[in-house]
Formats: sequence, C-alpha cells, structure tokens
Amino acid sequence: ELKVEQNPLFLSMQEGKNYTIYCNYSTTSDRLYWYRQDPGKSLESLFVLLSNGAVKQEGRLMASLDTKARLSTLHITAAVHDLSATYFCAVGFMNRDDKIIFGKGTRLHILP
Amino acid sequence: GAGVSQSPRYKVTKRGQDVALRCDPISGHVSLYWYRQALGQGPEFLTYFNYEAQQDKSGLPNDRFSAERPEGSISTLTIQRTEQRDSAMYRCASSGGRTDEAFFGQGTRLTVV
Repeated sequence: ELKVEQNPLFLSMQEGKNYTIYCNYSTTSDRLYWYRQDPGKSLESLFVLLSNGAVKQEGRLMASLDTKARLSTLHITAAVHDLSATYFCAVGFMNRDDKIIFGKGTRLHILP
Repeated sequence: GAGVSQSPRYKVTKRGQDVALRCDPISGHVSLYWYRQALGQGPEFLTYFNYEAQQDKSGLPNDRFSAERPEGSISTLTIQRTEQRDSAMYRCASSGGRTDEAFFGQGTRLTVV
C-alpha cells in the first residue's frame, strides 16, 4: 500500500526557534514535493526533490531527501509568524502510473 | 492561461443531481491530476491524465465518478447522482512532466444538499 506519513501533525512553536517536519513514505519514489497551504487557500508549491541527497532552500525553509531511508525533512530556521500554515509533503511513486500521494499535513502555528 | 483555472468556484446541488467540474490546466502541461480535499485533511488522489490518456483512476470512490480529458487539455470531473458525502473541495493540478512542479487551481467547493 502506498503511504505517506508526516509528523508531527500539529506544531506550535515560538518565533526564532528551529524545527523539523518529517515525511516518511512506503515504497520507491523518484520525486517528492513540499507544499504550503494557508487557510481557505489553494496549495502553493515550495520544493520538488528528485534525487537522493537533494537539498533545496528558500528563505527560512530547507528541504532534503534521503531516498534510501524513504525520508524527507522540511527544516524551519528562526521561525517567523508568517510561516504559520499547513505544510504537505507529496510523493510520486515509481511504477504506480505516476500518481502523487499526499500526507495528512503538518499544521504549523508560530507564536509571535 | 497564467495558472490552473477551475470552474465553477462554488457549486451547490441537490442530492441526486449530476455535476460537472471543469479544469483548465496551464497551457502545454501534459500531466493533469484531480484530488478531493476534506476540511483539515490532505488532498486525496482521484485520477491522473497524461495528455488525453487516463493513466490511473484508482482513486475514484465509485462508479458515479468519472473524468475525461478528450483533447489533452481541459478536463471534466463528473459526479452522477450526487450524495451528501460527495461534498468537499475538488482540486485540479497540472505539470509539464512527471518530474516537474505540479501547480494547483483554486478548487471547486461542492456542496450537496
């Protein structure tokens, strides 16, 4: 069964702190996506990771991929209130007709 | 167009009626995905097209749901004999290829009363 698991599902943290969101998936993948969703809005693409060891950074967010461990991380550095949102990872599974499966999301609340 | 366009943005329908939801992908994008998202949940995969070919429809809940993309561009998701449990946000995404970013539209909020 194709599974994508994120943890934590809820995270409340203070501004200025660092934290990491984890995304595990169940079988071989050749691409992993991170999205941001604000309440009542659509999903905004943050990163696409395509190879083992890939690392991408944008501002205070950095994503990495370990295909051998079937694990991706989204690291938040010195969090600011504007980063409060729900973050989803999504995995494209090889040999599964290219479907992309989403995790349940991590609801991040950053306290000012 | 500049982005993925979905219509209508909101649809209220009576139980038992058929509805058709439209997705207009970014021009030139070959991959098109349909998802359903309940409040507070992640998007749930419904179906996927590569050009006009429906590659995977394993996520469609039952045979009341169908989708087509006859010319490899605009896609329609049709729900027949709607039920209250079909109420959700339906989202469409498109990408230029299997390893490209997938961009989402604003969604269609379906309410079955």
